[in-house]
Formats: sequence, C-alpha cells, structure tokens
Amino acid sequence: QKEVEQNSGPLSVPEGAIASLNCTYSDRGSQSFFWYRQYSGKSPELIMSIYSNGDKEDGRFTAQLNKASQYVSLLIRDSQPSDSATYLCAVNLGGGSNYKLTFGKGTLLTVNP
Amino acid sequence: EPEVTQTPSHQVTQMGQEVILRCVPISNHLYFYWYRQILGQKVEFLVSFYNNEISEKSEIFDDQFSVERPDGSNFTLKIRSTKLEDSAMYFCASKSGGLRAFFGQGTRLTVV
Repeated sequence: QKEVEQNSGPLSVPEGAIASLNCTYSDRGSQSFFWYRQYSGKSPELIMSIYSNGDKEDGRFTAQLNKASQYVSLLIRDSQPSDSATYLCAVNLGGGSNYKLTFGKGTLLTVNP
Repeated sequence: EPEVTQTPSHQVTQMGQEVILRCVPISNHLYFYWYRQILGQKVEFLVSFYNNEISEKSEIFDDQFSVERPDGSNFTLKIRSTKLEDSAMYFCASKSGGLRAFFGQGTRLTVV
C-alpha cells in the first residue's frame, strides 16, 4: 500500500511568519512530488512541483525534497491570511503521462492576522 | 488561463440511480483523469484515460464505473446503481504532454 503521510494540523502561524509543512511517502519509486492548496469545498490548486533532490523556490514558496529520507516539505515565507487553506502533498509514482497521484490527507494551515 | 469545466456543480440522486458527471477538458489536452474526495478524506485517483481508452484505474473503479469521451470534447464519468458511499466530490483533470494537470472545480455528488 503506497502511503503519503502528513500532519493533519491545524498549523497556526502569525501573519508574516514562515509556515513549514511536511510530508513523508512510502514508495521509493516515486518520481515527482506536488504541493496543492485546497480551500474548503474547492478543487486542489497546484502550488509547487519538484522532481529532484534539493530545494525549489517560487516566490514565497520553497519546496524541499529528500528522496533518501522519503521526505518532502513546503515552506511558505511571509505567510498571509489568504494562505489559510489545507495543503495537500501528492506523489506520482510514474512519469510522463502517468498522473496517478497519491494524496496525503492534508495539513490545515491557519494564518492569523 | 484555460479551464477544465465540470457540470453539474452539484448533483443529488437517489440510491440505485445512474448518474453521469460531465467534464470539458482543456482543448489541446490529451490525458484525462477522474479523482474523488469523500468529505473529510483524501483525494483518491479513480482512472486515467488516453487515446480513447483507459490507461490505468484504481481498485475503486470497479464495474459500477465507466468513462467515455463521446464527442471529442466531453469526458464523462458514469456511475451505475449509485450507493450512499458514492457521495463525494468528483474532480476531473486534464493535461497535455507536460507534467502539470489542471483540475476542474468539481461536482459534488450526493446520494440519498
């Protein structure tokens, strides 16, 4: 059974702080990794994707991947109240056209003004 | 930005009835997917579809489910003989040859 685990939270941070979200996965064959943001009752929205070990930065967001430890994280700098949402970690075993994502349950982030 | 469009946004059906959920993928996309999310639970993969056939399906996607691309633009998910536990948000997604898939806004299915 391929699993993706996240701390369900809630994670509460003050506005302007760094929010750190973590995810572990069980399948060593996983090739690509995604962070989605999901507002209540809405569809997942892609925030970051990462495929290689190390860090990837996009604006206020940094994704970190450590395949040896089977660990993916997302850092949100200068957190804003609008960042309050559930953050889903997703792992794709295959590449190319295979987009069979395994999702974690998500971490609820609350950014307090 | 182009969008994946799903209709209806909310469908209520009686147990045992058949429902068809509709999706219009982004026009130049070739790969299509259905996911579902039961309230309070994980998003789960159902099926992927390419070149007019199923390329992969999960154990959830049993004989009760079927997919079709009837006219080259719509992509449908049919659920036969619905059960209470089929109540969920159903998300359609599509992508081109790249790695990013675009999700539709979802159809909330309520089986009563």
